[in-house]
Amino acid sequence: NAGVTQTPKFRVLKTGQSMTLLCAQDMNHEYMYWYRQDPGMGLRLIHYSVGEGTTAKGEVPDGYNVSRLKKQNFLLGLESAAPSQTSVYFCASNYYGTRYEQYFGPGTRLTVT
Amino acid sequence: DQQVKQNSPSLSVQEGRISILNCDYTNSMFDYFLWYKKYPAEGPTFLISISSIKDKNEDGRFTVFLNKSAKHLSLHIVPSQPGDSAVYFCAASGDNDYKLSFGAGTTVTVRA
Repeated sequence: NAGVTQTPKFRVLKTGQSMTLLCAQDMNHEYMYWYRQDPGMGLRLIHYSVGEGTTAKGEVPDGYNVSRLKKQNFLLGLESAAPSQTSVYFCASNYYGTRYEQYFGPGTRLTVT
Repeated sequence: DQQVKQNSPSLSVQEGRISILNCDYTNSMFDYFLWYKKYPAEGPTFLISISSIKDKNEDGRFTVFLNKSAKHLSLHIVPSQPGDSAVYFCAASGDNDYKLSFGAGTTVTVRA
């Protein structure tokens, strides 16, 4: 099993450009999450999903959109990137029964210039 | 406003000694606490957890202690090994809540 994978691993964007980060998991997990990690801030939840076709806002959702059209995929979109969105983005997933123990992907390092 | 705080950004410890990492929380609704470990260029991995009905949980070299009245938990690593050098995140969740609140992390360096 690959676990949780994220595409791409690195990306540099110019202000105003758009992009989509892809998260895929092969563990048949119901729940999926997108976090961002910034120095001194820990991981902050952007959006999450408790099942296919459902999404909800987390702690820092502004400037991001998400979609969960298939159970195994969770997409994070930036419609108009801003320098404040420079960060490392992590996707995570877990089963309903082990909802606290989340499995994380390797991260995507995004720089917005 | 961070509900989970790790006030020590870094910790340096000699190999074989004990590492003690601390975590404080402000939300009294939190009832489940976890520690994650993160190596550079990798995602965090689950290390150990504790429910609020307990005050201690052990897993090999790792022990987590919970003091509910003080809203404080700690992670003890005994003995510390070079492979323990990583960033450790404390996280917490409330009952029936899917979401985790994370602390800022503590970077542990184990010296040979």
